[in-house]
Amino acid sequence: GAVVSQHPSWVICKSGTSVKIECRSLDFQATTMFWYRQFPKQSLMLMATSNEGSKATYEQGVEKDKFLINHASLTLSTLTVTSAHPEDSSFYICSATGTSGRYEQYFGPGTRLTVT
Amino acid sequence: EDQVTQSPEALRLQEGESSSLNCSYTVSGLRGLFWYRQDPGKGPEFLFTLYSAGEEKEKERLKATLTKKESFLHITAPKPEDSATYLCAVQAAGGYNKLIFGAGTRLAVHP
Repeated sequence: GAVVSQHPSWVICKSGTSVKIECRSLDFQATTMFWYRQFPKQSLMLMATSNEGSKATYEQGVEKDKFLINHASLTLSTLTVTSAHPEDSSFYICSATGTSGRYEQYFGPGTRLTVT
Repeated sequence: EDQVTQSPEALRLQEGESSSLNCSYTVSGLRGLFWYRQDPGKGPEFLFTLYSAGEEKEKERLKATLTKKESFLHITAPKPEDSATYLCAVQAAGGYNKLIFGAGTRLAVHP
């Protein structure tokens, strides 16, 4: 139980284009989803928190106009990196918490983004 | 400020050599402390949640314990497949379910 998927698992895009990453909870309803990025040999950095049907809450220093988050349903959240630049290249990971009242976050497998 | 510090940064063990990883934390009201395992190029895998001092959880060769200031992840008779980065995270009461992660401990178990 508590499986989270991400698509795509890796993507290469050209500088200036936009790329969308999907995060789905497969066997539970996710009241809250989180988006992280991780640089090599570093820990996870929270980018934003989203609740179904509400606007995302972004962490300090994260550009909300660049990283668009949509949490349209209890099983799907998307992260769109707009006008991507090489410095946006990173490992993006989503996580979700369910409706059970427990606090564990279950993580997706991650998406490797490379901007050329 | 809520903070999590993990030590050591890296640990090399021989197969069968038991050891412990440390997670020290300062948080304004602990809701829960979480341990995750992360393999290279993958998302973290949930291991344990600890809620209050004195609590212990076990899973196979792993045992997690919690005090008011730190948590330990004990690894008994590790195998090469236990090699991974182990992440500790805390969640503060009133923190809107946010996790504050430590930098992790990279564990390598050699046969």
